[in-house]
Amino acid sequence: GEDVEQSLFLSVREGDSSVINCTYTDSSSTYLYWYKQEPGAGLQLLTYIFSNMDMKQDQRLTVLLNKKDKHLSLRIADTQTGDSAIYFCAEKWGQAGTALIFGKGTTLSVSS
Amino acid sequence: DAEITQSPRHKITETGRQVTLACHQTWNHNNMFWYRQDLGHGLRLIHYSYGVQDTNKGEVSDGYSVSRSNTEDLPLTLESAASSQTSVYFCASSEAAKNEQFFGPGTRLTVL
Repeated sequence: GEDVEQSLFLSVREGDSSVINCTYTDSSSTYLYWYKQEPGAGLQLLTYIFSNMDMKQDQRLTVLLNKKDKHLSLRIADTQTGDSAIYFCAEKWGQAGTALIFGKGTTLSVSS
Repeated sequence: DAEITQSPRHKITETGRQVTLACHQTWNHNNMFWYRQDLGHGLRLIHYSYGVQDTNKGEVSDGYSVSRSNTEDLPLTLESAASSQTSVYFCASSEAAKNEQFFGPGTRLTVL
């Protein structure tokens, strides 16, 4: 079945770049997603990438997709303390529909 | 403004009791989802629905049921609560054929 793997923790200093990595299993996934969860809140969609793209940039966020290796990464430039959160990678769950399967989440800690 | 709400926000119950968690969205979204979030497991899909009278099992559906009698609501029922069901439960919704899911604030359930 589908599976999404992420490293669990990342600690960076304010102003540095953060790179959060994810591997997924379903090669038929059309879209891959990054969600962000701030303390005590639900998840919010941060960005996504269509499977025919290698890279997507959105302000401080850069998503890289390596379909051959089924590897997805999220780079946050100039990381701020407000970026401290849990980041989830997600792909489509099942053969049809819009249900998602999420990774375990990467806790990003930003120190000043 | 349209929104998605969950109630109660916190619940303590005893083993063996039936518990129902409410989820209500005002976006008129066809798709609704229930997840549970546990340390070390991330978010796992419990049940989902793509429209009225439609329900489907997710990754961890045992011990849970849902019903969809209207577009706005997808209540999650624990038939006989177990301590292993202590968790934070998130409801989400999305438009049909669109993958961005909007999450509720979560319900923290403790089963003693």
